[in-house]
Amino acid sequence: GAGVSQSPSNKVTEKGKDVELRCDPISGHTALYWYRQSLGQGLEFLIYFQGNSAPDKSGLPSDRFSAERTGGSVSTLTIQRTQQEDSAVYLCASSSTSGGSEQYFGPGTRLTVT
Amino acid sequence: GQQLNQSPQSMFIQEGEDVSMNCTSSSIFNTWLWYKQDPGEGPVLLIALYKAGELTSNGRLTAQFGITRKDSFLNISASIPSDVGIYFCAGRNYGGSQGNLIFGKGTKLSVKP
Repeated sequence: GAGVSQSPSNKVTEKGKDVELRCDPISGHTALYWYRQSLGQGLEFLIYFQGNSAPDKSGLPSDRFSAERTGGSVSTLTIQRTQQEDSAVYLCASSSTSGGSEQYFGPGTRLTVT
Repeated sequence: GQQLNQSPQSMFIQEGEDVSMNCTSSSIFNTWLWYKQDPGEGPVLLIALYKAGELTSNGRLTAQFGITRKDSFLNISASIPSDVGIYFCAGRNYGGSQGNLIFGKGTKLSVKP
């Protein structure tokens, strides 16, 4: 079946603008995760959704970052008033159970803030 | 945030060589995962480990869940050019946050010039 998809694949925006990044998880997966990967670095956890439970937002770096998951499927990560340090690859992953095991990643959205 | 200690940071391989890398944690983990990431792609799951001492293979790749529950190893036998990429370990610790994985910073495999 189809894997995790993300859009856009690349986004260039001006400092101060808002951006929305989209993630379509694997069909039937109940858990969805957002990570950020800066150049040459590992993955930084941002936020986790599991079913209808309140999301774990403990990794969001500031209140400019927010995410929603509508209908238990598609998720949107929003960054308001973007800053240059927000430039990174934003990766989405999904898994079939809670607990974080065997997460499957999308190709990522490369965000460049100029 | 918390990160795993993954080593080496980078290594050069010659075709046919065996490769080893490892991850260590200061806390006990109940799950270890190994991913490979190619340029411009998301990480791809290679091997998942769920039990201390577990040894699992996936083709030429073998990974082990350390008995102390604080480390894991990945070995690649008889490397080939397509093994080039960045390998990440990831783990989830007992009592950790609801579901997120903790990632190492990666081991970058390159071909020897």
